[in-house]
Amino acid sequence: AQSVTQLDSQVPVFEEAPVELRCNYSSSVSVYLFWYVQYPNQGLQLLLKYLSGSTLVKGINGFEAEFNKSQTSFHLRKPSVHISDTAEYFCAVSINGGTSYGKLTFGQGTILTVHP
Amino acid sequence: DTEVTQTPKHLVMGMTNKKSLKCEQHMGHRAMYWYKQKAKKPPELMFVYSYEKLSINESVPSRFSPECPNSSLLNLHLHALQPEDSALYLCASSQDGVRWGENTEAFFGQGTRLTVV
Repeated sequence: AQSVTQLDSQVPVFEEAPVELRCNYSSSVSVYLFWYVQYPNQGLQLLLKYLSGSTLVKGINGFEAEFNKSQTSFHLRKPSVHISDTAEYFCAVSINGGTSYGKLTFGQGTILTVHP
Repeated sequence: DTEVTQTPKHLVMGMTNKKSLKCEQHMGHRAMYWYKQKAKKPPELMFVYSYEKLSINESVPSRFSPECPNSSLLNLHLHALQPEDSALYLCASSQDGVRWGENTEAFFGQGTRLTVV
C-alpha cells in the first residue's frame, strides 16, 4: 500500500514571499505524484503532476514541484505567493499501473494562508 | 468542456430518508469515481467505475449504493444514513482508468455537501 505524509498542517506566509509545502510518500511500487488545490467549499483542482522524466515539474498558477526519488519527496514551491493562493493543498499518489484504476491516496492537507 | 457537474450542491436528509447524488461529465471519460471528504480531512476513495462497471469498492457500507447508468452519469443512492456520514461527496472522472498510465488526470466536481440529521 502507498501513503502520503504532508509535514505541515498549516503554513502562514506573507504576500510576495516564497513558499514550500512539503510532501513525502511511501510505496513499494512505482507511483505517480500529484498536487491538488482546494478552495473553501470547492472541489479539487490539479496543480501539477509527476509521471516520469524530468524531476522538476511546472504547473499552473506559477507552482512547481521537484520529485526526489532517494528522499521519496515531492515538495511544492512557489517563488512569490499572492493572497489568492490561500487554500488547502493536497499531495496525492496513485500506483503506476492500470490496476489502480486511477485511485488517488491523499495526504492530510496543508492549509496555506497568505497574509497581506 | 472540462467540467464535472454534481447535483445537488447541498443536501439535508433524515436518517430514514432515501436520496440520490448525481454526477455528470461530457468529456468522454470512461472512469468515474466517488470520494468522501469529512471536515478537515483529505478525500477518501469510495468507488471506481471503469467502462460502466464497478471496479473498486473500498469496503463502503451498503447504505451507499453506486450506479453508473451510462458513460456520462454516475449516481450515489443513499439510504438509512447516519449522522457520521455527513461529509462533502466528490465525484471525479478520468479518461481511462484501465490505461491510467497514459492519461493520468482526474477532474473533480464541486461536490455535494451532505448533512444527515
